[in-house]
Amino acid sequence: GENVEQHPSTLSVQEGDSAVIKCTYSDSASNYFPWYKQELGKRPQLIIDIRSNVGEKKDQRIAVTLNKTAKHFSLHITETQPEDSAVYFCAASWTAGNKLTFGGGTRVLVKP
Amino acid sequence: EAQVTQNPRYLITVTGKKLTVTCSQNMNHEYMSWYRQDPGLGLRQIYYSMNVEVTDKGDVPEGYKVSRKEKRNFPLILESPSPNQTSLYFCASSYTTGRAVGGEQFFGPGTRLTVL
Repeated sequence: GENVEQHPSTLSVQEGDSAVIKCTYSDSASNYFPWYKQELGKRPQLIIDIRSNVGEKKDQRIAVTLNKTAKHFSLHITETQPEDSAVYFCAASWTAGNKLTFGGGTRVLVKP
Repeated sequence: EAQVTQNPRYLITVTGKKLTVTCSQNMNHEYMSWYRQDPGLGLRQIYYSMNVEVTDKGDVPEGYKVSRKEKRNFPLILESPSPNQTSLYFCASSYTTGRAVGGEQFFGPGTRLTVL
């Protein structure tokens, strides 16, 4: 089955700096890669996703890049703000299947 | 308001006492799923359902049962809970395209279960 590894497990950045979280996956058939943000005590919520037919996707201050050859994808947050402090999860699945495999999560702390 | 609801939100029980956590969605989603969240392990899928009367095992199904008799409900049953099932549980739902999950999964608020 699919295995998703996520690094780092914790990330502390100064407000205004960029944050990068990296994930690797094992199943070359995976072609859907979402990122979820979970604030303290809250439910996970989708922030951005990418499908394998594109290499990069942006939405304001967040972007995701995908390298299918190397089987890794990354989340980039620019101009970080205190409200970006949360746990971020990457995930992978293939659209012909029904399982979504999550990484272990990255706790991001943005220091004012 | 489109949402996924779970009940109860918090539960403390004892080993062996059967319990059910309910999950309901009002978005007419075909796909529903249960996850457990443990520190450092992310979210691990327990069971999922592509539609009414169609359920399948996720990555960690041992000790759990589910049923999907109605489209909107997907209860999680622990027939004989054990301490290693102490965890935070999330239900999620999504639309499907053909036989696959369509995209974003909408999560419920979570149920924190403690088994003594």
